[in-house]
Amino acid sequence: AQSVTQLGSHVSVSEGALVLLRCNYSSSVPPYLFWYVQYPNQGLQLLLKYTTGATLVKGINGFEAEFKKSETSFHLTKPSAHMSDAAEYFCAVSIGTASKLTFGTGTRLQVTL
Amino acid sequence: EPEVTQTPSHQVTQMGQEVILRCVPISNHLYFYWYRQILGQKVEFLVSFYNNEISEKSEIFDDQFSVERPDGSNFTLKIRSTKLEDSAMYFCASSEILEPTEAFFGQGTRLTVV
Repeated sequence: AQSVTQLGSHVSVSEGALVLLRCNYSSSVPPYLFWYVQYPNQGLQLLLKYTTGATLVKGINGFEAEFKKSETSFHLTKPSAHMSDAAEYFCAVSIGTASKLTFGTGTRLQVTL
Repeated sequence: EPEVTQTPSHQVTQMGQEVILRCVPISNHLYFYWYRQILGQKVEFLVSFYNNEISEKSEIFDDQFSVERPDGSNFTLKIRSTKLEDSAMYFCASSEILEPTEAFFGQGTRLTVV
């Protein structure tokens, strides 16, 4: 069975600083990996995904993530944080695009002036 | 932009009571899902639904839970006799094709059982 661990339930960065949200996964088969974002009072929105091919994937709002098989990681980064990035971020894994998602516990990103 | 709508946004119910959580999926979508997140824990898959029947369910989805698409627009999750541990945020999602990973999520219903 697959699982996801997100290190840090809360991350605070200054506006303009690098954003790094950590995600490690466990899967017995090659995983498909996802990052979702949830803004206050809204649903989960897909930020980006890795299925096959290029290990560095770019998503919406300037976010990107790199699949590192040797480290079983899929960390989310953004070079320069913006106030509007404040939200809850969820990493998720599936064993195929037709498979159900298994989520991490989420990381709340706070962006300060 | 089309979206998945869930009502109510917050529901408080007494232990032992039945509760129905409602979702209006995106109109041309064919696959429907419920996930839940207990406070401080992971978002967990509950059930997927297609062609008026359950296609997959998790261990959490026991006899106390049921899903229904009573008409052409609504998709409901019923909890027959709520327990304190059912308190959670419940997310509905829908997808056009059989790819839960391409699903659109609603904003969630926070269920509090007292």
